[in-house]
Amino acid sequence: KQEVTQIPAALSVPEGENLVLNCSFTDSAIYNLQWFRQDPGKGLTSLLLIQSSQREQTSGRLNASLDKSSGRSTLYIAASQPGDSATYLCAGANDYKLSFGAGTTVTVRA
Amino acid sequence: GAVVSQHPSWVICKSGTSVKIECRSLDFQATTMFWYRQFPKQSLMLMATSNEGSKATYEQGVEKDKFLINHASLTLSTLTVTSAHPEDSSFYICSASLLAGASYTQYFGPGTRLTVL
Repeated sequence: KQEVTQIPAALSVPEGENLVLNCSFTDSAIYNLQWFRQDPGKGLTSLLLIQSSQREQTSGRLNASLDKSSGRSTLYIAASQPGDSATYLCAGANDYKLSFGAGTTVTVRA
Repeated sequence: GAVVSQHPSWVICKSGTSVKIECRSLDFQATTMFWYRQFPKQSLMLMATSNEGSKATYEQGVEKDKFLINHASLTLSTLTVTSAHPEDSSFYICSASLLAGASYTQYFGPGTRLTVL
């Protein structure tokens, strides 16, 4: 069974600082890995999806890398803004099922 | 594109009643739909996987007689929480999958907040 871990559980940074969020997974036979954003009491917003054949994906200030051999993915958010405050979840897909990490709650201080 | 809706967005019910939650893929036909549950400050836990026209596959520890799933069409799946109790209060999220070529993606609904009094 796929186990997904996210460290740290919470992170507080001043505005403008770069964010680094870590995700590790136990089963390297993932089909893809996704990063999501979740605001309090809301659903999921997909940020980036990395296919198993890819090493990274970029969208604006967001960059996500995938290293299957080490079982790790990292989400980088450049020049953080208060609007980036949210919980970020990563999820690995195996056999068309997603296994989620517990998330990293980010607070960007103005 | 690839929009998934859920209805209702929130519901409050008395203990012992049943509640139905709908999940619809609005602009695509979903091969498979998934139901997740999220307790406060916890991650999403997969409850069951459903394919149109067949019985749902439940994850270990999820009571199939309590959480009834019907997947009548390629765009609609329903989750019925039967005889709901306060411990069933949670955030329920569905997703619909789209397999396009070699790419597989799950698209998530906005979630339904269930509160059982």
